[in-house]
Amino acid sequence: RKEVEQDPGPFNVPEGATVAFNCTYSNSASQSFFWYRQDCRKEPKLLMSVYSSGNEDGRFTAQLNRASQYISLLIRDSKLSDSATYLCVPTGEGGSYIPTFGRGTSLIVHP
Amino acid sequence: GAGVSQSPSNKVTEKGKDVELRCDPISGHTALYWYRQSLGQGLEFLIYFQGNSAPDKSGLPSDRFSAERTGGSVSTLTIQRTQQEDSAVYLCASSLTSGSTGELFFGEGSRLTVL
Repeated sequence: RKEVEQDPGPFNVPEGATVAFNCTYSNSASQSFFWYRQDCRKEPKLLMSVYSSGNEDGRFTAQLNRASQYISLLIRDSKLSDSATYLCVPTGEGGSYIPTFGRGTSLIVHP
Repeated sequence: GAGVSQSPSNKVTEKGKDVELRCDPISGHTALYWYRQSLGQGLEFLIYFQGNSAPDKSGLPSDRFSAERTGGSVSTLTIQRTQQEDSAVYLCASSLTSGSTGELFFGEGSRLTVL
């Protein structure tokens, strides 16, 4: 079973829309998560960190459901510049843990 | 600069040639990772350096791939006798501590094309 699973999309939404996508994870010991965004032909960059039940940063809200082992990312009032691939990355334990990046979820915001 | 620096940004080589890709991490970051990303795919882990510990080479796809990290700073990824399937973007990332707790900072990558 993959460490994380995300719907690859693409999610195609108009400007101003609210969109949400989930990331399910297999390791119940994962305590915290990172959401990265990767623009086309660019490197991943950190979007948000989630250390408890959730986090909110402006138009972006992440929620962690430990019982069901998924983390969601909600984007309100979508902008054209939000078009990117969003990658969910669980943290692990110990210095030998290797962050795993899946294919992520592709979001396209159109005018 | 303050970020992770990778060179070259683009490399075109002929099948069978050797290539070296360089990564200069953020100063003070003890953890350094190499990933590669083929078109439309996720990031594939290659190798991980943490301080003075032996590197985790479990992601290297074949013995044609090797990497070094000198003085706990700059790292070089070497691919010998390149094959067309080695064509990808090679991304280096560094972290202040291990990736289990810290954010990874990525370089812009080295795009390798093997003809």
